[in-house]
Amino acid sequence: ETGVTQSPTHLIKTRGQQVTLRCSSQSGHNTVSWYQQALGQGPQFIFQYYREEENGRGNFPPRFSGLQFPNYSSELNVNALELDDSALYLCASSATLAGGTDTQYFGPGTRLTVL
Amino acid sequence: AQKITQTQPGMFVQEKEAVTLDCTYDTSDPSYGLFWYKQPSSGEMIFLIYQGSYDQQNATEGRYSLNFQKARKSANLVISASQLGDSAMYFCAMREGPAGGTSYGKLTFGQGTILTVHP
Repeated sequence: ETGVTQSPTHLIKTRGQQVTLRCSSQSGHNTVSWYQQALGQGPQFIFQYYREEENGRGNFPPRFSGLQFPNYSSELNVNALELDDSALYLCASSATLAGGTDTQYFGPGTRLTVL
Repeated sequence: AQKITQTQPGMFVQEKEAVTLDCTYDTSDPSYGLFWYKQPSSGEMIFLIYQGSYDQQNATEGRYSLNFQKARKSANLVISASQLGDSAMYFCAMREGPAGGTSYGKLTFGQGTILTVHP
């Protein structure tokens, strides 16, 4: 069974640029969630994708957007990068099934640095 | 109000001893799930254990057990026989609403507890 993978591992961008982060979900999972984790903090929910549609969003501005593809992989796009966007971005996949636990399994993360 | 509170910024334990990491939560939803994750310095979030709000028994997974006290809204993680490899950050998280179906599974995390295991 293949776990959740993310790319790239590290990324350095400058303020105002745009970035795309990628996530491949675990085999058998149909839901992908994205989280932002600032240094020394717990992860903050950005949004979740289910059946290729956004299925819930946290308190993040519209410049944070995403996609989910038919194979359940996902992208997180961030436009007009700001210094505060520097963080570890975690992707998690889960199986949304009624009666299940919908446990989210996380990938290794992408560490984004904005200069 | 904080939905998830972890009051212990750091904990120390001797190898082979047991340790309890505290977590209290706040929700008015009768259906919810509680999760514990381990985050080593590498950054990956590793799932440890899950407790559903309607589960009658405390969850256990190997050396991990969850001390679930619903009336007190606490969900403490107990690690038995600590190992050096248990040194990491530990997060308690909650999903409000039932699992699956059409509700989305946003996880709300606490601030975490850094556990250090001494030889």
